[in-house]
Amino acid sequence: NAGVTQTPKFRVLKTGQSMTLLCAQDMNHEYMYWYRQDPGMGLRLIHYSVGEGTTAKGEVPDGYNVSRLKKQNFLLGLESAAPSQTSVYFCASNSLGTSADTQYFGPGTRLTVL
Amino acid sequence: SQQGEEDPQALSIQEGENATMNCSYKTSINNLQWYRQNSGRGLVHLILIRSNEREKHSGRLRVTLDTSKKSSSLLITASRAADTASYFCATGAGSYQLTFGKGTKLSVIP
Repeated sequence: NAGVTQTPKFRVLKTGQSMTLLCAQDMNHEYMYWYRQDPGMGLRLIHYSVGEGTTAKGEVPDGYNVSRLKKQNFLLGLESAAPSQTSVYFCASNSLGTSADTQYFGPGTRLTVL
Repeated sequence: SQQGEEDPQALSIQEGENATMNCSYKTSINNLQWYRQNSGRGLVHLILIRSNEREKHSGRLRVTLDTSKKSSSLLITASRAADTASYFCATGAGSYQLTFGKGTKLSVIP
């Protein structure tokens, strides 16, 4: 049982390049989330999904797109990377989606945009 | 916008001492969770306290919640070097979304 995994672990992009971050969970969770973590800012929600085929915007969605084609996978895309998107990205999932439900986090992807 | 604000931002203590971290929030909540993040890792859930609870214990952890003051505290007793990490509070008022604070960085010196 791997829990939540993220690919890749590290990535360096040039401004304007695109990339996709992959999150996979093997806990059969309905709800999945993408956060970014910046120094001194804590975690901010980018997008989330309440089930296969659904996505919704979080607090800071601009510049990102997401897809949830399979229940176990949640993809985060950057179409045209900007230096402001340099951050550590975390994926999380849970089964009930309520504020009382534990979120399980992946190990993170450290992205640098030059 | 950030809902929770942890205080202090950083805390350094000797092994064996107690560590207390505080979290303040702005709007009404249903639940408050505390998470730990070791350096370079993802967050790990520690404990949940509901809005109708005042105190909760789990091992060496003690969490209190004062909804009238919109604040919570996390106490780690008899700290160990392995407790060195950042600690975040996360608040939830409805479904789906948790709002995380900026965290307290705890250093436990052996």
